[in-house]
Amino acid sequence: ETGVTQTPRHLVMGMTNKKSLKCEQHLGHNAMYWYKQSAKKPLELMFVYSLEERVENNSVPSRFSPECPNSSHLFLHLHTLQPEDSALYLCASSQVYSAGTGSYGYTFGSGTRLTVV
Amino acid sequence: AQKITQTQPGMFVQEKEAVTLDCTYDTSDQSYGLFWYKQPSSGEMIFLIYQGSYDEQNATEGRYSLNFQKARKSANLVISASQLGDSAMYFCAMREGGTTDSWGKLQFGAGTQVVVTP
Repeated sequence: ETGVTQTPRHLVMGMTNKKSLKCEQHLGHNAMYWYKQSAKKPLELMFVYSLEERVENNSVPSRFSPECPNSSHLFLHLHTLQPEDSALYLCASSQVYSAGTGSYGYTFGSGTRLTVV
Repeated sequence: AQKITQTQPGMFVQEKEAVTLDCTYDTSDQSYGLFWYKQPSSGEMIFLIYQGSYDEQNATEGRYSLNFQKARKSANLVISASQLGDSAMYFCAMREGGTTDSWGKLQFGAGTQVVVTP
């Protein structure tokens, strides 16, 4: 497989459930990201991992818990979510620390559409 | 403060016509990059084109070109010869600063919905 793969594509969960979103990249990139896309709002950056270390957490509630066990995998663990957390969750990867000002191969996955009921 | 502004919420364009999508940005960095993505209803974000702040030539990728006007801080996307499959949401995004400062994160505009009609 190539590119960035996200599973599942769709997820419906109750407010008391615990679930996890998975992201896998096969591009040899060294940074991975979680973005949230709510209806009628721009994409919001949630977390950044660089070289498997979390380098940014954009004031995300603790009911979202990221995990990056290695440079190819990124998880978003979900628990006790609220209906307003329903959104499209997009994972991306890029190659930072590259020379120059290139695009760093920034690539997105297809997203997980989450509905909290 | 919003760093990426897309003023056109939606646009209709006829097949085979060209369309220009507006994007203005705000940054005090000298080194930055500008991206355009296409998002069909399926949700995936498809990379279209990239322009670095130091690139002297406007970027082109097939039917996509980026009209980069650095002094005006604008990075408009031009789609030539529109096709029905171009109907989608289009996002402008910016990566600021050097890699160790920004970790490559992107800031997005609100997007422009393009509908191509026969």
